[in-house]
Amino acid sequence: DTGVSQDPRHKITKRGQNVTFRCDPISEHNRLYWYRQTLGQGPEFLTYFQNEAQLEKSRLLSDRFSAERPKGSFSTLEIQRTEQGDSAMYLCASSQGASGSFYEQYFGPGTRLTVT
Amino acid sequence: GDSVTQMEGPVTLSEEAFLTINCTYTATGYPSLFWYVQYPGEGLQLLLKATKADDKGSNKGFEATYRKETTSFHLEKGSVQVSDSAVYFCALSETTGANSKLTFGKGITLSVRP
Repeated sequence: DTGVSQDPRHKITKRGQNVTFRCDPISEHNRLYWYRQTLGQGPEFLTYFQNEAQLEKSRLLSDRFSAERPKGSFSTLEIQRTEQGDSAMYLCASSQGASGSFYEQYFGPGTRLTVT
Repeated sequence: GDSVTQMEGPVTLSEEAFLTINCTYTATGYPSLFWYVQYPGEGLQLLLKATKADDKGSNKGFEATYRKETTSFHLEKGSVQVSDSAVYFCALSETTGANSKLTFGKGITLSVRP
C-alpha cells in the first residue's frame, strides 16, 4: 500500500477558472476527509465521506465547492470560479471507521493551489 | 465550537535541549487529543494520541498527558535531535456520530540546531 495520494501536487490557475483535484485513499479505508490549510494556519475541515455518501460539509465549503466520491474509492474536489482567497493547500485524509470511534487519519501530501 | 490554541512560535533549540510545546483546547464534550507532525516536504503524520483524561500518549521520545482539569495537552521531549525539526500541530476530535473530523491548532515550527 502506497498511502494516500493526491493529484496534482501543484496547480496554478487564473481567477475565475475551474479546478479539480483528485484524492486516492488507502484502499481499505471507508472514510475520506478533505481539509484546507492556509499559510501559517492548521488544516481546517471541509467535508467528509463514509463510503460514497457525503455526510458532513463545513460552512467553509461555499456553493462554488463540490466534492464527490462516486464509487466509494477515489474522491474529487472541484472549485468553480476560483478566487484569490481559494489559494491554499488542500489536504485529503482517509481512515477506517465505525460510528463512535476514532481511527487514525492518514494524510496525503496535499495539492497546493495558487490563484493569480 | 471546538478550538485548539497552541503557543506562538517558532521555537529554536540546541540539540539535546528539553522541549515543551503548549496546547490548550475548548470542547463541548470529551474529545480525543492528538499531536501531528509535518516534516519538511512530507505529509502530516500522527505523532501520538490520548483518548481520555489522564492518558499519556508517547512516541519517538515525545510525551503528552491529557489534563482535563486544565484542558491541556502539552508536548514534551527530554532531549531533542536535529531530526525533530518539523511543524507540530495539536488537534482534537469529538467522535460524535460517524464523523471524526479533526480540529487543529495553528501549528508551531521547531528548529533544532546541532
